[in-house]
Amino acid sequence: SQQGEEDPQALSIQEGENATMNCSYKTSINNLQWYRQNSGRGLVHLILIRSNEREKHSGRLRVTLDTSKKSSSLLITASRAADTASYFCATDSGNTPLVFGKGTRLSVIA
Amino acid sequence: NAGVTQTPKFQVLKTGQSMTLQCAQDMNHNSMYWYRQDPGMGLRLIYYSASEGTTDKGEVPNGYNVSRLNKREFSLRLESAAPSQTSVYFCASRGTPPSFQETQYFGPGTRLLVL
Repeated sequence: SQQGEEDPQALSIQEGENATMNCSYKTSINNLQWYRQNSGRGLVHLILIRSNEREKHSGRLRVTLDTSKKSSSLLITASRAADTASYFCATDSGNTPLVFGKGTRLSVIA
Repeated sequence: NAGVTQTPKFQVLKTGQSMTLQCAQDMNHNSMYWYRQDPGMGLRLIYYSASEGTTDKGEVPNGYNVSRLNKREFSLRLESAAPSQTSVYFCASRGTPPSFQETQYFGPGTRLLVL
């Protein structure tokens, strides 16, 4: 069963706006990862945040992790049309496969 | 570095036919995975291999078999294809935690249509 659940399922914004998507999970984790999938392509890793970290930045990406609420958020600032994609969170609980959520479809309108 | 490669890219089968999806990685990763992706369902794990010589069932293994041929290659076989197996199949690989190889690398996918 899927542990990570992204919210919202779909998001449509104007170019230049910020996009925020959330991920909730059920069990304890070692780290949480965010991936991006362009239409028709494989997933590409974006950023990893460990369970003892609260916030991490990479370029226009900001990820937060709240282990007490078992939730994470991904913020994309100053979005571009090229950010249009599906975004997935994945939880890593140790020596088991990553568990992926169903994803958030982001549309950035130019 | 080619990363993770998959063949074929597209395939059309008739119900009852068999086929093998091939996957190879050149990153010396220990773990390899097969997922299927259907609209609205996200990624579902079919089978995985934590290391060479081992394989384990994932969330949706019925109708599939796998072979970890060596450290580089992990194949997925459909013995008797059914229309419900129409999907996009992704192979992925990952290093052994704890390490800097905790992220997963995906292949480009195989689109399978079963008529």
